[in-house]
Amino acid sequence: KAGVTQTPRYLIKTRGQQVTLSCSPISGHRSVSWYQQTPGQGLQFLFEYFSETQRNKGNFPGRFSGRQFSNSRSEMNVSTLELGDSALYLCASSFRQTTDTQYFGPGTRLTVL
Amino acid sequence: GDSVTQMEGPVTLSEEAFLTINCTYTATGYPSLFWYVQYPGEGLQLLLKATKADDKGSNKGFEATYRKETTSFHLEKGSVQVSDSAVYFCALSDQDTGNQFYFGTGTSLTVIP
Repeated sequence: KAGVTQTPRYLIKTRGQQVTLSCSPISGHRSVSWYQQTPGQGLQFLFEYFSETQRNKGNFPGRFSGRQFSNSRSEMNVSTLELGDSALYLCASSFRQTTDTQYFGPGTRLTVL
Repeated sequence: GDSVTQMEGPVTLSEEAFLTINCTYTATGYPSLFWYVQYPGEGLQLLLKATKADDKGSNKGFEATYRKETTSFHLEKGSVQVSDSAVYFCALSDQDTGNQFYFGTGTSLTVIP
């Protein structure tokens, strides 16, 4: 079974730009969660999608948004990038909910200059 | 709000030593508790979990017991190996917050031969 894939793996953007990250979950998984990992704040929950609906949202500003498609693939968008958005963005999929085993992708490393 | 506190690292042990990584939590409801591990160059993966008080999660020689009275979920292994070198994350998911995931800051473990 293929694992969780994330594209692109690396991104360099400048302040004020926007960015879209993509995540393909494991086949059959309907829950997709996004996390931000930074050295200072650690792993922080961004949001979770299930059946194309945002089911839960962490404490991040509205510049961070996402969506899920009917095939469970998910995208995350960050608008008006700030230097502090530089981080590793991780996607995780699980069968039905986050308390099921989450399978993490390798992440997208975003650098904002 | 919900949170997870785990012991600061890094931790360096000799092979066959006993390992304890402390983890305590704060939650409004009755959370599920997890240990995730990140081996060098790999993505996060679930190590073990416990979903209710007094449950013991175990995997690959690691164990952790859900202690509601002390709000703790300490990770233990009786005899560590070099291959256990990794970063370990304690996490919780609380139904009262819609199963939002909260991770600890991670503890880096290095096992030397």
